[in-house]
Amino acid sequence: GDSVTQMEGPVTLSEEAFLTINCTYTATGYPSLFWYVQYPGEGLQLLLKATKADDKGSNKGFEATYRKETTSFHLEKGSVQVSDSAVYFCALSRYNFNKFYFGSGTKLNVKP
Amino acid sequence: GAGVSQSPSNKVTEKGKDVELRCDPISGHTALYWYRQSLGQGLEFLIYFQGNSAPDKSGLPSDRFSAERTGGSVSTLTIQRTQQEDSAVYLCASSYTDEQFFGPGTRLTVL
Repeated sequence: GDSVTQMEGPVTLSEEAFLTINCTYTATGYPSLFWYVQYPGEGLQLLLKATKADDKGSNKGFEATYRKETTSFHLEKGSVQVSDSAVYFCALSRYNFNKFYFGSGTKLNVKP
Repeated sequence: GAGVSQSPSNKVTEKGKDVELRCDPISGHTALYWYRQSLGQGLEFLIYFQGNSAPDKSGLPSDRFSAERTGGSVSTLTIQRTQQEDSAVYLCASSYTDEQFFGPGTRLTVL
């Protein structure tokens, strides 16, 4: 069945460090891929998405590229800030978005 | 405009009791989802409603769990005869396209 696997956390970085959070997926066909973020005390919100192979989603300095050959959608940011501290979830959806599969989440701690 | 709201925000109950969790989606959103988030775990899909179609109940963990959506808007998730393993945060989300908007969740604790 469909599934998403993302790297375990927590990930602790210093401010301005480079961030990569790995995400790989298993799905037949051509799923859409998403990254959601949950800031402390807040609900999940969409960070970025990509709907077909080789698409790059980007938002708030974060990027992720849909790689079908490696079934991956790794999240990257060149220079993290303390305000990026949150839990990040990778997700996929097929069949016209009637069901989403989420990874287990990766907690990011950014220290000043 | 108003986002997705859920009530109660916290619920403490005794094992064996029934609980009802409510979700008010964003007006006009045709799709509504329920998820469960256990400590240290990802989001577990429970049920999906889309318009007037039959709901996708494939994620409900047992027949103690049920959900309904009245008038294509408000949804209620009911857990009967609660067990301690039901303790989790229950999240509701609604969408019109491919972006889901999440509510703040209901934290359920079963003693």
